[in-house]
Amino acid sequence: AQSVTQLDSHVSVSEGTPVLLRCNYSSSYSPSLFWYVQHPNKGLQLLLKYTSAATLVKGINGFEAEFKKSETSFHLTKPSAHMSDAAEYFCVVTYDYNFGNEKLTFGTGTRLTIIP
Amino acid sequence: NAGVMQNPRHLVRRRGQEARLRCSPMKGHSHVYWYRQLPEEGLKFMVYLQKENIIDESGMPKERFSAEFPKEGPSILRIQQVVRGDSAAYFCASSPLGLADNEQFFGPGTRLTVL
Repeated sequence: AQSVTQLDSHVSVSEGTPVLLRCNYSSSYSPSLFWYVQHPNKGLQLLLKYTSAATLVKGINGFEAEFKKSETSFHLTKPSAHMSDAAEYFCVVTYDYNFGNEKLTFGTGTRLTIIP
Repeated sequence: NAGVMQNPRHLVRRRGQEARLRCSPMKGHSHVYWYRQLPEEGLKFMVYLQKENIIDESGMPKERFSAEFPKEGPSILRIQQVVRGDSAAYFCASSPLGLADNEQFFGPGTRLTVL
């Protein structure tokens, strides 16, 4: 079975300070991991993905995440928060056990608030 | 290349009515997924379809819900005899033929409200 745990339901940071959104995963197989962002009343947009290549993954809008197998973690970071980063962030896991596109398993989300 | 299209964006139904949600995948994408997002929760997988085939419906409620992806036309998620608990945002995603690490492209969602 696969699952993800997002350790914080809400995170607030001041504009210009670092962002850390935490995610731990559980998967019986080698996972593929993603971070998606959802702005209010909008669909989801892929920020970045890990698929067993480099463990440090760079995404859009200055975000990056590091896959740490020993810690089963895939935390999302950004050096300097911008007001436009305020949104809901979802950590997502899947794995290719059947050589086809597989369903995504979502975490419960972390709401990021940016303080001016 | 237009993204994933969903319509309607907002749908209001009374208890007992039927809801039909439509999803047109991105051009060239033959895989469609439906997810449901309840208020204050993450998305939950419902069903995975390819053209004319249901591949995985393990997340679909056993009754009142059905999905199809015909050879021609959009994918349809159908909810019969809606109840208040069906109120949620329903998202469709599509991806090209490939492996599990393919990005799924999401539509803007349909927000269903059951009165």
